Amino acid sequence: NAGVTQTPKFQVLKTGQSMTLQCAQDMNHNSMYWYRQDPGMGLRLIYYSASEGTTDKGEVPNGYNVSRLNKREFSLRLESAAPSQTSVYFCASTRGNYNEQFFGPGTRLTVL
Amino acid sequence: DAKTTQPPSMDCAEGRAANLPCNHSTISGNEYVYWYRQIHSQGPQYIIHGLKNNETNEMASLIITEDRKSSTLILPHATLRDTAVYYCIVRVVWEYGNKLVFGAGTILRVKS
Repeated sequence: NAGVTQTPKFQVLKTGQSMTLQCAQDMNHNSMYWYRQDPGMGLRLIYYSASEGTTDKGEVPNGYNVSRLNKREFSLRLESAAPSQTSVYFCASTRGNYNEQFFGPGTRLTVL
Repeated sequence: DAKTTQPPSMDCAEGRAANLPCNHSTISGNEYVYWYRQIHSQGPQYIIHGLKNNETNEMASLIITEDRKSSTLILPHATLRDTAVYYCIVRVVWEYGNKLVFGAGTILRVKS
């Protein structure tokens, strides 16, 4: 099993550009999450999807949209990137409420 | 979710036990204590979790005080590869979406 995979690994955008971060898991997990991590700080939850077909806002959702495409895939979209969105983005998944979260390797995004 | 307090950093000699404390004085009866760690630039990794009994797995032991207001993560024989940021998180396990809120964590430096 590959676990949780994220693409791309690195991305540089100009202010105002849009892009979609992709996340997929092959563990048949129900719930998926997007976090961001700014330098020297802990992770903050952007959006999550408790099950296929549902999405909910986390702690810092402004400027982002998500799509739970199917049980495997959960994408994060930046419609108009801003320098404040420069961060490392982590996707995670978990089978259910009692289980640990598995994290992907991260996408390092720089917005100029 | 209850807030947690951890020391910003700790040092440990290689081969010795690393004891990482966490205060969660406002924890409620249905909240679990989770520990994750993040090795440089990687996604966080689940270590262990518990409610009120002490727990042990292949990675670590978790000691929770009787009043549940604090806990200690123990790495019995720390190695250089255990150098990481360790996060203590408390949350309600059955909360919709299994959200985790990460604080700043403790930077553990294992030295030879």
